[in-house]
Amino acid sequence: KAGVTQTPRYLIKTRGQQVTLSCSPISGHRSVSWYQQTPGQGLQFLFEYFSETQRNKGNFPGRFSGRQFSNSRSEMNVSTLELGDSALYLCASSLAAGKLFFGSGTQLSVL
Amino acid sequence: AQRVTQPEKLLSVFKGAPVELKCNYSYSGSPELFWYVQYSRQRLQLLLRHISRESIKGFTADLNKGETSFHLKKPFAQEEDSAMYYCALREFNAGGTSYGKLTFGQGTILTVHP
Repeated sequence: KAGVTQTPRYLIKTRGQQVTLSCSPISGHRSVSWYQQTPGQGLQFLFEYFSETQRNKGNFPGRFSGRQFSNSRSEMNVSTLELGDSALYLCASSLAAGKLFFGSGTQLSVL
Repeated sequence: AQRVTQPEKLLSVFKGAPVELKCNYSYSGSPELFWYVQYSRQRLQLLLRHISRESIKGFTADLNKGETSFHLKKPFAQEEDSAMYYCALREFNAGGTSYGKLTFGQGTILTVHP
């Protein structure tokens, strides 16, 4: 089975722009979660989608949003980028509670 | 709010020595605890879950609710155990509506020297 696929692998944007990241979960996994990883804050939960519905949301501003499609693929969007949004964004899919399969991540740099 | 603390950022041991990676949590409810591991140039992956009470790659972890701890142990460390280890907590939800919302600790980098 193919693992979780995230695209693109790297992104460079400037402040004020917006960005969309994509995640394809493992086939059959209906839950997709997003995390932000930074050296200072570590791994922080952004949101979780299940069958196209947002189940949970972390403590991030409204500039961070996401969605899930009927094929379980998910996208997250960050609008009006700030320097502090520079991070590795990880997507994970799951079939059982807490048992997450992570992608390789998208490294976002905001200049 | 729940919190996971891994007090050691770095831990170094020699091959064959016992190793213990500490994890403490604060959560008012009944938690589920996990250990995740990231080897060099690999993805973050699940190592073990407390509910499974299993031993993976020689590692075990026992949930101690009295001390709110979930330390990861291995009696004889191997060089291939060198990695970043994360302790994570999931709020127990009887309705089971959340699969992917975990609170992670800051991680411990384990180095096993030959």
